Amino acid sequence: AQSVTQLDSHVSVSEGTPVLLRCNYSSSYSPSLFWYVQHPNKGLQLLLKYTSAATLVKGINGFEAEFKKSETSFHLTKPSAHMSDAAEYFCVVSSGGGYNKLIFGAGTRLAVHP
Amino acid sequence: DAMVIQNPRYQVTQFGKPVTLSCSQTLNHNVMYWYQQKSSQAPKLLFHYYDKDFNNEADTPDNFQSRRPNTSFCFLDIRSPGLGDAAMYLCATSSRDRDPDTQYFGPGTRLTVL
Repeated sequence: AQSVTQLDSHVSVSEGTPVLLRCNYSSSYSPSLFWYVQHPNKGLQLLLKYTSAATLVKGINGFEAEFKKSETSFHLTKPSAHMSDAAEYFCVVSSGGGYNKLIFGAGTRLAVHP
Repeated sequence: DAMVIQNPRYQVTQFGKPVTLSCSQTLNHNVMYWYQQKSSQAPKLLFHYYDKDFNNEADTPDNFQSRRPNTSFCFLDIRSPGLGDAAMYLCATSSRDRDPDTQYFGPGTRLTVL
C-alpha cells in the first residue's frame, strides 16, 4: 500500500531564504508523486509532479523537488521564499490502477516572515 | 482557460436542510471527484465518477449523494446536513485516457451549517 509522511507540520522562514519541505513516501511500485499548494480558502493547485522521467522535477513559481528512490524521499525546495508562498503544502502519491486515488500527506503549513 | 468551476464558493445552510453543491469543468475529463476537507486536514475522497460509472468510498456516509448528468457537470447533494458536515468541499477532475495520475482541483465550496 502507498503512504506519505510529511515530516514537518509547520515550517517558518524569512523572506528571501531557502524553503525545504520534507516528504517521505512508501510504495510497492514506482509511484507518481505530486506536490500541491493550497492558499487559505482556495482549492489545491498542482505545483509539480514526478512520473519517472527525471528525478529533479521543476514546478511553477520557482519550486522544484528531487525524487530519491534510495531514501524514499520527495522533498520540495525553493531557493528564495516570497511572502506569497505562505500556504499549506501537500505531498501526494498516486495509488495507481485504472483511476488514481490520491494518498495525501497531512500537510505542511509554510509561514514566511518579512 | 480550461478549468474546474465550483458554485457557490460559500454556502450557508441550516441543520437538516438539504443542500446541493455544483461543479463544472471545461477540461473534457472523464473522471470527476468530490472531496471533503475539514479544517487543518488533508482532503478526504467521498466518491468519484468515471463517465457515468459511480464509485463510492466505503466510509462515505449515506447522507452524501452525487449526480453527474453529463460530462461537464457533477453535483454533491447532502440530504440532511449536520454540524459535522461543515467543511470545504473540493471537486477535481482527471483524464483516465491521457493522464490518469493527475487531478485538477476547483476552488472549493465552503459549507457552513447553522
